Formats: sequence, C-alpha cells, structure tokens
Amino acid sequence: EPEVTQTPSHQVTQMGQEVILRCVPISNHLYFYWYRQILGQKVEFLVSFYNNEISEKSEIFDDQFSVERPDGSNFTLKIRSTKLEDSAMYFCASSVGGLTEAFFGQGTRLTVV
Amino acid sequence: AQSVAQPEDQVNVAEGNPLTVKCTYSVSGNPYLFWYVQYPNRGLQFLLKYITGDNLVKGSYGFEAEFNKSQTSFHLKKPSALVSDSALYFCAVRRGYGGSQGNLIFGKGTKLSVKP
Repeated sequence: EPEVTQTPSHQVTQMGQEVILRCVPISNHLYFYWYRQILGQKVEFLVSFYNNEISEKSEIFDDQFSVERPDGSNFTLKIRSTKLEDSAMYFCASSVGGLTEAFFGQGTRLTVV
Repeated sequence: AQSVAQPEDQVNVAEGNPLTVKCTYSVSGNPYLFWYVQYPNRGLQFLLKYITGDNLVKGSYGFEAEFNKSQTSFHLKKPSALVSDSALYFCAVRRGYGGSQGNLIFGKGTKLSVKP
C-alpha cells in the first residue's frame, strides 16, 4: 500500500540553526500538507500546498517557515532559525485532490536544544 | 470558527464489548467530519469521514460513526472491541469553508484502551 514517507524520523538541532524536514508524498497525490504536534498538545495545521503554491496557511506558519516541492517527488518544510518552541512532531500529509481525505506520514520528531 | 471537542482523555473497554469515542463539533456551514487513528510510532491513519448523505458512516477496521446534526456530534463506534484497537483516536473538522479535505482542525485525541 502506498504511503507518505518522512525523513529523518528524529532530528536534533541547535537553536538558531536552519532545519529542513523532508517528505515524499504518495506519487499520484496533488495536495500536500504540513502539521505539527507539540508534546501533549493537539495536532495543528501549518500549511497546504497545491499547484506549486501555498493554498492555505495557519497563523503558526510565519516568515520563519517555508515549503517547497523541489522536484517531482519531495515536499520539504524549512524552518529558518529554529527556536526551542519549534520542538514538536511534524507530520506531512498528502491527498489526491481537495475533495479526498489526507494520508499522513509517520512524522519527524524535531528537538531544538 | 470551526472546532471539535473530544471530552474524554481516555476510554477503557473490555475486549468484545462495544466502544464509543465521543466527538462534538462547532462549524459554520455544512460540517466535513473525520476520524483518524494513531498507533504508537506511526502516523495518523484515516478511518472514515462524513461529508453528506447517510448519518451512519462505515469505515476501516469495522469502525463506524454517527453524525447527529441536532446534537452536533460525530461519535465513533465499534460493536465489538479488539485489543488491537488500542490507540489514540482523533476527531477532525475541515478548516473553513471551501478548503480541501486535508486542511483540518483536530481534537486533542482520546486514548482507547481495550483490555483482554
């Protein structure tokens, strides 16, 4: 069964450093998403991406964040200058279209020290 | 603003008994409602959704959910629980009006524990 894959599974970075989280969505999917879950809190929507541009973003997704689909298979989330409060599990998801449900990856645990 | 609430942090059920995981929602417009499950060290897995039509929605692994407009609820149910159903269950609603079904607001999650 096709699945969304995320790498790495766990990343530790120093405060102020840039980090890139990588995702390979399911191959025929056209909509891509990033979510995060701070430990003990809700899963929160960050951004959706379609047709090579951001279609919606939350208030969390500020100028420190950016997304990119650098080629036909990867979808990345970049955090420019990480803060301690960016420590969370980050989930990538994809869907065939806007009218279909999303499938999630297993997540990348980001720890900022 | 769209929101969902899961009033129970944990639900404990004996194997073979029916289970219910509760979810209530608040939306403007027609609700698009979803249930996802998260097993340890795994991503969120889609179980089922309600968009329109029959109020009883059937999904994966024998789960079903009942949409109740008057009570603004979308409770997840299964007639006979299995130990392997033990996981974290999330109710979600689509963000805003007209957005894609992947733009979701999640509840805080309910831990389901099924004992043999």
